[in-house]
Amino acid sequence: QKEVEQNSGPLSVPEGAIASLNCTYSDRGSQSFFWYRQYSGKSPELIMSIYSNGDKEDGRFTAQLNKASQYVSLLIRDSQPSDSATYLCAGARSYAGGTSYGKLTFGQGTILTVHP
Amino acid sequence: KAGVTQTPRYLIKTRGQQVTLSCSPISGHRSVSWYQQTPGQGLQFLFEYFSETQRNKGNFPGRFSGRQFSNSRSEMNVSTLELGDSALYLCASSASSGRGLIDEQFFGPGTRLTVL
Repeated sequence: QKEVEQNSGPLSVPEGAIASLNCTYSDRGSQSFFWYRQYSGKSPELIMSIYSNGDKEDGRFTAQLNKASQYVSLLIRDSQPSDSATYLCAGARSYAGGTSYGKLTFGQGTILTVHP
Repeated sequence: KAGVTQTPRYLIKTRGQQVTLSCSPISGHRSVSWYQQTPGQGLQFLFEYFSETQRNKGNFPGRFSGRQFSNSRSEMNVSTLELGDSALYLCASSASSGRGLIDEQFFGPGTRLTVL
């Protein structure tokens, strides 16, 4: 079982719709979660970070975290063709214990296509 | 504020050679993490440096090494290159308080290494 798993996709949504991206994690020690967007041929770009249970909104993006269910999601409202990219979910432990310094564990990514 | 820079952007090497990649973090960031990204394995953590010290290391052979300088710039070295080392090598910088929850990481553009 991979430590961080994402719905494999690809996910295709029409322009203006809500895109829902999901991620589950197996390490109960994970405390911080991040969503990155990666365009083809480019490096990952940070979209959102979430540390507490519940929702966190930033513009058209909403991240949701449920630590009891070990589940993280990203909703993109009013999807645009420019949102077409691979979305990466990453988790990290806290600094306690010392073995987590600087380490993000990534899922395989979900390819999102927003068609006009 | 300038972002993370990496040089060179592209490299072509042959098996058995060695290579050195460079990363300059965002000004004021003291933590640099390195990742390898391949289509098959996704993004995998190599190591992290903070204040010239390696604090964490991923599951890669000893051919992969790195260092950090007093100005927080970091280099990674791969010796005795193998075909399987062909990948996008990414560095990410973080403010890294070293306490509590892990900080957000911001990626550079990456170095695309091709081993022939």
